[in-house]
Amino acid sequence: DAGVIQSPRHEVTEMGQEVTLRCKPISGHDYLFWYRQTMMRGLELLIYFNNNVPIDDSGMPEDRFSAKMPNASFSTLKIQPSEPRDSAVYFCASSLDGQFGYTFGSGTRLTVV
Amino acid sequence: DAKTTQPTSMDCAEGRAANLPCNHSTISGNEYVYWYRQIHSQGPQYIIHGLKNNETNEMASLIITEDRKSSTLILPHATLRDTAVYYCIVRSGTSYGKLTFGQGTILTVHP
Repeated sequence: DAGVIQSPRHEVTEMGQEVTLRCKPISGHDYLFWYRQTMMRGLELLIYFNNNVPIDDSGMPEDRFSAKMPNASFSTLKIQPSEPRDSAVYFCASSLDGQFGYTFGSGTRLTVV
Repeated sequence: DAKTTQPTSMDCAEGRAANLPCNHSTISGNEYVYWYRQIHSQGPQYIIHGLKNNETNEMASLIITEDRKSSTLILPHATLRDTAVYYCIVRSGTSYGKLTFGQGTILTVHP
């Protein structure tokens, strides 16, 4: 298994532009999570899905952020419009049962200039 | 979920055992102890979890005190590649989904 696959690995964009981050979870995992990591705030859970349905989006910072999971093998996190304070590493993770052994992707490093 | 307290940083010599402590004095009966680590520029990696009994796998051992108020993650023979941030997390066994990371312990393994 290739693990959780995220793309792109790095993204540099200008303020005001739309950014879309992508994630392919491990096949058969029913839970998918989006985390954001910054030096100031550490790892923060943004949103998670169970069986493609968003369960808890209380960590999404504001309306500029949206996440979708159209099917069991793909999820996107979109920021529109992007701002410099959105610069961070965004991780996607998946889990078989939502309890044990989360597997994280390698992350997308987003820089908004 | 119970709060955890970990030292900010620790050092360990290569080849020696690394013992990383975690305090979770307010843990309740159905809460598990999880350990993850994050090597620089990578996503967090699951290491081990336990409820009451000590646990061992190919990566590490987890020792939980009898009163469950603290635990220790043991890397029996630390290597330079074990240099990472180690996170101790406590979460209810009936809580699905949300896994909250604290600041963790920066473990530096030196030659």
